[in-house]
Amino acid sequence: GAVVSQHPSWVICKSGTSVKIECRSLDFQATTMFWYRQFPKQSLMLMATSNEGSKATYEQGVEKDKFLINHASLTLSTLTVTSAHPEDSSFYICSASGERTGELFFGEGSRLTVL
Amino acid sequence: GEDVEQSLFLSVREGDSSVINCTYTDSSSTYLYWYKQEPGAGLQLLTYIFSNMDMKQDQRLTVLLNKKDKHLSLRIADTQTGDSAIYFCAEKGEDYKLSFGAGTTVTVRA
Repeated sequence: GAVVSQHPSWVICKSGTSVKIECRSLDFQATTMFWYRQFPKQSLMLMATSNEGSKATYEQGVEKDKFLINHASLTLSTLTVTSAHPEDSSFYICSASGERTGELFFGEGSRLTVL
Repeated sequence: GEDVEQSLFLSVREGDSSVINCTYTDSSSTYLYWYKQEPGAGLQLLTYIFSNMDMKQDQRLTVLLNKKDKHLSLRIADTQTGDSAIYFCAEKGEDYKLSFGAGTTVTVRA
């Protein structure tokens, strides 16, 4: 099946620094990728929809200046958490639509801890 | 917004069948999904069903969809210890966004 890979798997950073998370579709092209955030023992919250070659669409309540999304190619989307603070600590997961209609695959997730 | 609800916990004996239930409210759902999440890992797509189908079987997994009642279930036959995980159901609306349930934690006991 299709594979979506995220990097890094986990990252610890100091408050005020920026962190970039990459999401790659390994064996298919993804014109649309999605970024989710998951708090402990909770479900996933959609943050934004990333479209190749255009600006991302953010969900209500998600700060676009804080969570910068770039979808520069059909296989790569990046999420940059700018000026990270401890409340940004979370599990971030990306997903991409597969080649078959209806398929939607998720990356392994990236755990961010901001000290 | 769309609501997807699942029971939070399920305990099952090894070798028995597990049935995880899910209800949703969006009548325009196009696809419905079941994902498995193991501790510290991302979501693994288990199976999905198109909204005009009422059943899909894939090895040990059987998905039943009652569109009239907006009820989705996942049956895992011959449950094994490796099936212990959190299972999320999700529905995709016409806007292509996924709405997730809170997840059902399945614990398989020997």
